[in-house]
Amino acid sequence: GENVEQHPSTLSVQEGDSAVIKCTYSDSASNYFPWYKQELGKGPQLIIDIRSNVGEKKDQRIAVTLNKTAKHFSLHITETQPEDSAVYFCAASRWNNNDMRFGAGTRLTVKP
Amino acid sequence: DVKVTQSSRYLVKRTGEKVFLECVQDMDHENMFWYRQDPGLGLRLIYFSYDVKMKEKGDIPEGYSVSREKKERFSLILESASTNQTSMYLCASERGGPNQPQHFGDGTRLSIL
Repeated sequence: GENVEQHPSTLSVQEGDSAVIKCTYSDSASNYFPWYKQELGKGPQLIIDIRSNVGEKKDQRIAVTLNKTAKHFSLHITETQPEDSAVYFCAASRWNNNDMRFGAGTRLTVKP
Repeated sequence: DVKVTQSSRYLVKRTGEKVFLECVQDMDHENMFWYRQDPGLGLRLIYFSYDVKMKEKGDIPEGYSVSREKKERFSLILESASTNQTSMYLCASERGGPNQPQHFGDGTRLSIL
């Protein structure tokens, strides 16, 4: 089955800097890659997703890139703000979500 | 916005008790999921359901069962709670069809004493 690895497990940046979180997946048939943000005391919330027919997607300060050949995808947050502090999860799945697999999470801390 | 509501934020139960965790979604979603979240392990799928009365095992179903009698409600049952089931439990729903995002509740932190 699919295996998703996520790095780093913790990341600390200064406000205004960029943050990058990387994930690799094992199943070449995976074609959907969502990213979730989990704030303290809350459930994970979808922040951006990308499908395998696209190499990059951007939404304001957040972007995701996908390299299908290398089977890795990354989350980029620019101009970080303290409210970006949270745990971020990547995930990968095939055409249906019954087999969605999550990375172990990255705890991002943005220092003011 | 999709709303997934988990009935309890915190729950404390004793070893051997039968425990029910309830989840309700308000968007007529086809699929519902139960995960447990443990530090360093991410989210692990316990069970999912793709229709009323239909269920399938996830990666870690042992010690759990589920019930889906109505489309909007998905229950997780710990038949005889054990201390190793102390964890955060997350419910999610999803519209069904290819490449749909899952929508999560805020979780139930369950402690088994």
